[in-house]
Amino acid sequence: RKEVEQDPGPFNVPEGATVAFNCTYSNSASQSFFWYRQDCRKEPKLLMSVYSSGNEDGRFTAQLNRASQYISLLIRDSKLSDSATYLCVVISNFGNEKLTFGTGTRLTIIP
Amino acid sequence: DAGVTQSPTHLIKTRGQQVTLRCSPKSGHDTVSWYQQALGQGPQFIFQYYEEEERQRGNFPDRFSGHQFPNYSSELNVNALLLGDSALYLCASSSRLRQGRRDTQYFGPGTRLTVL
Repeated sequence: RKEVEQDPGPFNVPEGATVAFNCTYSNSASQSFFWYRQDCRKEPKLLMSVYSSGNEDGRFTAQLNRASQYISLLIRDSKLSDSATYLCVVISNFGNEKLTFGTGTRLTIIP
Repeated sequence: DAGVTQSPTHLIKTRGQQVTLRCSPKSGHDTVSWYQQALGQGPQFIFQYYEEEERQRGNFPDRFSGHQFPNYSSELNVNALLLGDSALYLCASSSRLRQGRRDTQYFGPGTRLTVL
């Protein structure tokens, strides 16, 4: 079983729609959780950290469910510029900065 | 303030050759991590350098080695290249905070290696 699993998509959604991505992780001791965004042929960039209490940044909302070992990302009012691959990322142990990535979910926003 | 830089941007090698990739961390960062990203996959952790020593290593063979210099820059060396080594090689830098924690990792643009 992969440490971090994501639906690879692709997700093709119309502009203005709401889209949700899910991710599961296998190590129950995992400490830190993130969503990264990667544009085609570019480097990954941190989109947001994910906290147990949930957190929101503009149109983006991230949730963590430790009991189910599940992370989600919600994008509201999607824009053409949101088209990218979204990577779910986990750090397994405190003090261990190895980022474990999912395969990524590819999102295309259609005009 | 320069971000993470990597060189070269693209590289073509043949099987059996050796390659060296370079990374300069973001100003103020002292830790460098290397990742390999194959097409259609997420990045895979290779190893991390701090204080000029390899601190952690992922599931990569000994053909993959590295070095960190006193100015915190780093090199990734791959010997006896295989076709399967073709990938985007990403360098990420971060800084060590108190109590062993580190700040967010910032990625460089990567080096795209093609092995023929």
